[in-house]
Amino acid sequence: GENVEQHPSTLSVQEGDSAVIKCTYSDSASNYFPWYKQELGKRPQLIIDIRSNVGEKKDQRIAVTLNKTAKHFSLHITETQPEDSAVYFCAAKPSGGYNKLIFGAGTRLAVHP
Amino acid sequence: DGGITQSPKYLFRKEGQNVTLSCEQNLNHDAMYWYRQDPGQGLRLIYYSQIVNDFQKGDIAEGYSVSREKKESFPLTVTSAQKNPTAFYLCASSMGSSSHTGELFFGEGSRLTVL
Repeated sequence: GENVEQHPSTLSVQEGDSAVIKCTYSDSASNYFPWYKQELGKRPQLIIDIRSNVGEKKDQRIAVTLNKTAKHFSLHITETQPEDSAVYFCAAKPSGGYNKLIFGAGTRLAVHP
Repeated sequence: DGGITQSPKYLFRKEGQNVTLSCEQNLNHDAMYWYRQDPGQGLRLIYYSQIVNDFQKGDIAEGYSVSREKKESFPLTVTSAQKNPTAFYLCASSMGSSSHTGELFFGEGSRLTVL
């Protein structure tokens, strides 16, 4: 079945450094790739997404890149701040008639002051 | 204030008991979902509903049941047949399968512990 692998599972950086989280997906027909951020004790929230007809998308300090040939996509956070500390989930939407997302296992990011 | 409300936030259950988790949304979304979150396993889909009076099994539906009698409500029952029910349960909604946005709006979750 469809699968999304996410690495690393934990990531620790110093404030101001960049952080990169990578995901690979199995269904080559997947067409939508969102990233969700879940702060401790809170609900997951969409922070950025990208569609299969776009290679890169940027929103202030965060960016997502997509390589359809290799079936992987990445989240890049620059100039990290302590409030970026959270669990980040990537997801992929396989081809099909309904809005199903396959989630990665999550990356726990810790940004140290 | 629009959003998704889950209740209860914490729930304890004895083995052999069924429990029902509530999920209500006032976003006028057609589609609703239940996910289970376990440490190190991300979010796994239990059930989803694209429209009132219709729902489909997700990847881990065994031991769970749902109903969708109203657009706003999508309760999840964790039955005694679920072998490992202790988990964090997240309800979500989206505009619907016809929407290309795909964004899910999540509730704050319900943590179920089986004693």
